[in-house]
Amino acid sequence: QKEVEQDPGPLSVPEGAIVSLNCTYSNSAFQYFMWYRQYSRKGPELLMYTYSSGNKEDGRFTAQVDKSSKYISLFIRDSQPSDSATYLCAMSAPLSGNTPLVFGKGTRLSVIA
Amino acid sequence: EAGVAQSPRYKIIEKRQSVAFWCNPISGHATLYWYQQILGQGPKLLIQFQNNGVVDDSQLPKDRFSAERLKGVDSTLKIQPAKLEDSAVYLCATLRGGDAFFGQGTRLTVV
Repeated sequence: QKEVEQDPGPLSVPEGAIVSLNCTYSNSAFQYFMWYRQYSRKGPELLMYTYSSGNKEDGRFTAQVDKSSKYISLFIRDSQPSDSATYLCAMSAPLSGNTPLVFGKGTRLSVIA
Repeated sequence: EAGVAQSPRYKIIEKRQSVAFWCNPISGHATLYWYQQILGQGPKLLIQFQNNGVVDDSQLPKDRFSAERLKGVDSTLKIQPAKLEDSAVYLCATLRGGDAFFGQGTRLTVV
């Protein structure tokens, strides 16, 4: 079993739809959970960053972490064509200092105008 | 604040040739990572530096890959000799707090 599982999609939705992206993980030591957005031919850029369980909202984006189920989600409200990108979940365990991020495969999202 | 700079952006080489990538991190960021991203996959860690020391290189194929970080600033990643399966985007990232900042990557094609 991979440490982080993410459905690669592709996912295609109409403009204005609510998008739900999800990842599951197996390492209970993960404490930091992140969502990155990656446009074609670009490096990943950080969207949301959550520590431990709970919800975090930033504009049209909401990140949820359920550590008991080892499940994280990213919701995008009122999706826009500019949201079309690959969304990568990433997580890390706080050991002795800066620990590397473990990424999911990424979900490719297309928002159709 | 300037971002993470990587060069070259694209590289095409024949198998068995050697290639080097360069990364100039964000000033003051002590932690530097090299990730390999194969098409359709998430980034996979190759090596992590803290200043100029290696913290984790357990997933670096050391028979062909090498990396160094001179004076705790710029870093280079080298592949010698390259194989077809090394075709990927090589991403450099640096860390501030819990946020990793990525460069645009070097897209390597091995033919």
